Amino acid sequence: NAGVTQTPKFRVLKTGQSMTLLCAQDMNHEYMYWYRQDPGMGLRLIHYSVGEGTTAKGEVPDGYNVSRLKKQNFLLGLESAAPSQTSVYFCASSNHEDNEKLFFGSGTQLSVL
Amino acid sequence: GESVGLHLPTLSVQEGDNSIINCAYSNSASDYFIWYKQESGKGPQFIIDIRSNMDKRQGQRVTVLLNKTVKHLSLQIAATQPGDSAVYFCAESPPGKLIFGQGTELSVKP
Repeated sequence: NAGVTQTPKFRVLKTGQSMTLLCAQDMNHEYMYWYRQDPGMGLRLIHYSVGEGTTAKGEVPDGYNVSRLKKQNFLLGLESAAPSQTSVYFCASSNHEDNEKLFFGSGTQLSVL
Repeated sequence: GESVGLHLPTLSVQEGDNSIINCAYSNSASDYFIWYKQESGKGPQFIIDIRSNMDKRQGQRVTVLLNKTVKHLSLQIAATQPGDSAVYFCAESPPGKLIFGQGTELSVKP
């Protein structure tokens, strides 16, 4: 039982490049989330999903897109990376009954030059 | 706006002492609170939670206290160990949301 797995762990992009962050969970959780963590800002919700095929915007969705084609996977895309998107990105999941209790992945450190 | 804040950004304690990490929350509608531990280079890890119908909840070496009157939450760690060194942050949950605080860094001196 690996929990929540994120790939890659580190990535450096040039401004304007695109990439996709991958998140997989093996806990059969209905809810999945993408957060970014910046110094002095805490965790901020980018997008989330309450089930396969559904996504919704969080607090800071601009510049990101997401997809939940399978229950166990939640993808975060950056179409045209900007330096302001330099951050640590965390994926999390939770079940329907206890949805505020999040299980987090180990994070992706993204630098945009 | 809404915020969940921590009274101290850093806390240094001697190994074996008890640690107390504080958190202030602002949303009176919050009915669920969680403490997370985040070690360097890792994702946040659930420690303990408490619902608003409780004042205290105990886990293994950790206790969470909730004072709804002053909107204050605290995490007590008994007999602090080097492995407890991490950033600790609280989260509050008004209906339909989860709001994270910025964190307190706990440093344990041998």
